[in-house]
Amino acid sequence: ILNVEQSPQSLHVQEGDSTNFTCSFPSSNFYALHWYRWETAKSPEALFVMTLNGDEKKKGRISATLNTKEGYSYLYIKGSQPEDSATYLCAFGGGSQGNLIFGKGTKLSVKP
Amino acid sequence: EAGVAQSPRYKIIEKRQSVAFWCNPISGHATLYWYQQILGQGPKLLIQFQNNGVVDDSQLPKDRFSAERLKGVDSTLKIQPAKLEDSAVYLCASSPGTGTRYEQYFGPGTRLTVT
Repeated sequence: ILNVEQSPQSLHVQEGDSTNFTCSFPSSNFYALHWYRWETAKSPEALFVMTLNGDEKKKGRISATLNTKEGYSYLYIKGSQPEDSATYLCAFGGGSQGNLIFGKGTKLSVKP
Repeated sequence: EAGVAQSPRYKIIEKRQSVAFWCNPISGHATLYWYQQILGQGPKLLIQFQNNGVVDDSQLPKDRFSAERLKGVDSTLKIQPAKLEDSAVYLCASSPGTGTRYEQYFGPGTRLTVT
């Protein structure tokens, strides 16, 4: 059974703090790693799709890194804002035609 | 570009009743997914369609769940009869191709409560 672990489960930070979360996944059969942001009462929204070991991607204040050999990805948020409050999901693709296996998510709350 | 549409947004039913959810994917997206997200868990794939054919339904409880995608566009997911453990958010997603490197575009989900 493939396991995708995310930590921490939840995080409370002050506005302006920088933060990061971890996604751990099987290091064999890697094909893709996705990050999604899911705000309450909205649709999950794709942040990044990462496919190569050593990939680093950035979107505004959010960035992600990927290490496929050791099976982890980090998501960083620089200078958190209240609008960053959401659940951040990672999903592992272990094959070109397989389906995505999602982690349980990290719930971020940013206090003004 | 219009996003993935789902309805209803919320549904409360009693156990043993039936319920159906509807999804309209992004125009031109060949692949459609239905996920079940139980509170505290990550989304779990129930079924994946490529056009109007089923690619993967290995995790769909076929004794009570059914899904169809007529004409390769809209899709309906049905539960009959519902059990308490079916309480979850049901998410529909679509992507322009089949494969784990394609970004998935999600609808807002249907929150089902079974009492």
